[in-house]
Amino acid sequence: QKEVEQDPGPLSVPEGAIVSLNCTYSNSAFQYFMWYRQYSRKGPELLMYTYSSGNKEDGRFTAQVDKSSKYISLFIRDSQPSDSATYLCAMSVSGANSKLTFGKGITLSVRP
Amino acid sequence: EAQVTQNPRYLITVTGKKLTVTCSQNMNHEYMSWYRQDPGLGLRQIYYSMNVEVTDKGDVPEGYKVSRKEKRNFPLILESPSPNQTSLYFCASSPLGLVDTQYFGPGTRLTVL
Repeated sequence: QKEVEQDPGPLSVPEGAIVSLNCTYSNSAFQYFMWYRQYSRKGPELLMYTYSSGNKEDGRFTAQVDKSSKYISLFIRDSQPSDSATYLCAMSVSGANSKLTFGKGITLSVRP
Repeated sequence: EAQVTQNPRYLITVTGKKLTVTCSQNMNHEYMSWYRQDPGLGLRQIYYSMNVEVTDKGDVPEGYKVSRKEKRNFPLILESPSPNQTSLYFCASSPLGLVDTQYFGPGTRLTVL
């Protein structure tokens, strides 16, 4: 079993839809959870960062961590065509400035 | 302008010919890291460094070397490249303690024949 599993996609939704992106993991020592967004032909950018369990909201984006289930999610409300990108989850035992393990990424397309 | 630069951006080489991909940041960041990205495999961390002379292995360090002699530079060295190292490489930097601030370079596309 891989340490981090992410739904492979691709995912296509109409504009305005609520999008749910998910990752599961096997290493219970992971404490730090991140979501990255990567536009085509660009480097990744850090979108959301959470520590331990709980929710974190930033505008239309909500990151959710359920450590008991080893499951994390990224919700995008009122999705826009500009949200079309590849989304990668990443996890770490000791913080974003240390060893990171990524999911394979899922490509999201938001149709106008 | 705050940025991470990588050179070269594109490189085609042959098996066994040593090469170095440079990474430089102008933000005085302590943390720097190298990743490779392959279709179907996502982003995988090669090496990272939390400060000068402090480096550690990521998930896929085999076949790579790094050094951190200066804070601003973190070169990736392939002493004997092989075709399975054909990939898109990204360098990133961030300040320690500011976990939501990260900068990625533009990427280096390497092809090893």
